[in-house]
Amino acid sequence: GENVEQHPSTLSVQEGDSAVIKCTYSDSASNYFPWYKQELGKRPQLIIDIRSNVGEKKDQRIAVTLNKTAKHFSLHITETQPEDSAVYFCAAKRQTGANSKLTFGKGITLSVRP
Amino acid sequence: EPEVTQTPSHQVTQMGQEVILRCVPISNHLYFYWYRQILGQKVEFLVSFYNNEISEKSEIFDDQFSVERPDGSNFTLKIRSTKLEDSAMYFCASTSRGGYEQYFGPGTRLTVT
Repeated sequence: GENVEQHPSTLSVQEGDSAVIKCTYSDSASNYFPWYKQELGKRPQLIIDIRSNVGEKKDQRIAVTLNKTAKHFSLHITETQPEDSAVYFCAAKRQTGANSKLTFGKGITLSVRP
Repeated sequence: EPEVTQTPSHQVTQMGQEVILRCVPISNHLYFYWYRQILGQKVEFLVSFYNNEISEKSEIFDDQFSVERPDGSNFTLKIRSTKLEDSAMYFCASTSRGGYEQYFGPGTRLTVT
C-alpha cells in the first residue's frame, strides 16, 4: 500500500520568511496530493491540492510542487504569518474511483515567530 | 457553504461499552469515509462506503467496528465493545461523484476509560 513520509516533523520560521514542507510517497499510481492544515482540536482543512498531470499549483501565498519521477511533493508558504502556525499534513491517493482512501503523512508542526 | 457535521463532539465511555458516532455528510455526496487520529499522531483511514456497502477497510477496522447509512442523511460508525486504545478523534469525510477532495467533519473525540 501507499506510504507517505513527511519531514521535518517541526519547523520554526520568523514571520515574513518562507516555509517549505516536503513529502515523499511510495505508490507510483498515486495521482492526487492534497495538503491539509489542522489547528488544535479542529478538523483537517484542505488548503491546496495537486493532481499528477501538473507540476505546480499556486494560490496566493501557498504553492505546491510535484515531482512524479522522484515521488515527492512540497508545500511552499511565502510571507508567513503567525496565523499560519498549525499542523500541516500531506496526503496521497490513487484516484481510480472517488471512494479512494487518503494516506496521510505524520504531520509537521509549523511555528511562525512574530 | 455546506459542511460535514458530526455528533457528539465528545463522547466518554467505559471500556467494553458500545458507542455510535454519527455523521451527516454533505447532501449530494455519494462517498463516505471514517478516519481516526490518536492524539498527536497522523490521520488514519478506517473505512470507505459507497452505494450502501463498504468499499475498502483498513486493518484497524476489525469485527468490533461497523458502519451504516440508516437513512438518506446519516452515516454512523459503531464500535461494539470499546477498548482503551480506541480513544481517538474520529473524523467523517465525504466526496461528491467524480470529486477528488474529501471534506472532513469537525470530529468526535472518543475517550474510553
